Amino acid sequence: EVQLVESGGGLVKPGGSLRVSCAASGFSFSDYSMIWVRQAPGRGLEYVSSISSTSSYLYYADSVKGRFTISRDNAKNSLYLQMNSLRTDDTGLYFCARWNTATHSPALDIWGQGTMVSVSS
Amino acid sequence: DIQMTQSPSSLSASVGDRVTITCRASQGIRSDLGWYQQKPGKAPKRLVSAASSLEGGVPSRFSGSGSGTEFTLTISGLQPEDFATYYCLQFNTYPFTFGPGTAVDIK
Repeated sequence: EVQLVESGGGLVKPGGSLRVSCAASGFSFSDYSMIWVRQAPGRGLEYVSSISSTSSYLYYADSVKGRFTISRDNAKNSLYLQMNSLRTDDTGLYFCARWNTATHSPALDIWGQGTMVSVSS
Repeated sequence: DIQMTQSPSSLSASVGDRVTITCRASQGIRSDLGWYQQKPGKAPKRLVSAASSLEGGVPSRFSGSGSGTEFTLTISGLQPEDFATYYCLQFNTYPFTFGPGTAVDIK
């Protein structure tokens, strides 16, 4: 079964750090770019970061640039998001998703269920 | 960064209604736009990509159109399972950006 499973969320104080992970299975992880998307409680979807299949290209939303680092380990079929200098407005559900450009219609075609990150004193 | 707007932000409709949601980009993005549906407590689900290509398994009552800066998602004959929030996503330029969403609820 093709799936993504996030983990590592939790409660952290402002200024703290957290690393969330995304385990992929059922497909050739190393062939795909991956993306993190977050959703604050009761709010809309927000793009966070992208990483290409070989980690050559990294992109970040302005809101997290300089504080978050995306990475992957293709040998372990895993995606990571290291979050430093966390702020209360980083609170939300963090989804990983597969960016599929293999067809003529690129799409975020596989999503995980999300992991909750709460930043509060 | 490219800014995305959606209208309306919410709407109430009845089963069987035709519903149209509009998404506008702050600059031209060709047809590099997707539509996603999200139900409460669930991950988003892809509906349309490349502005008008319906994803496999998505009912044909959904359709997308547009290019450049203005795009629409139309649901022809709203069904009970369609009550959800709909987001557009531009993937023309990094960082990608989502629209703020349109919540469709039951009248």
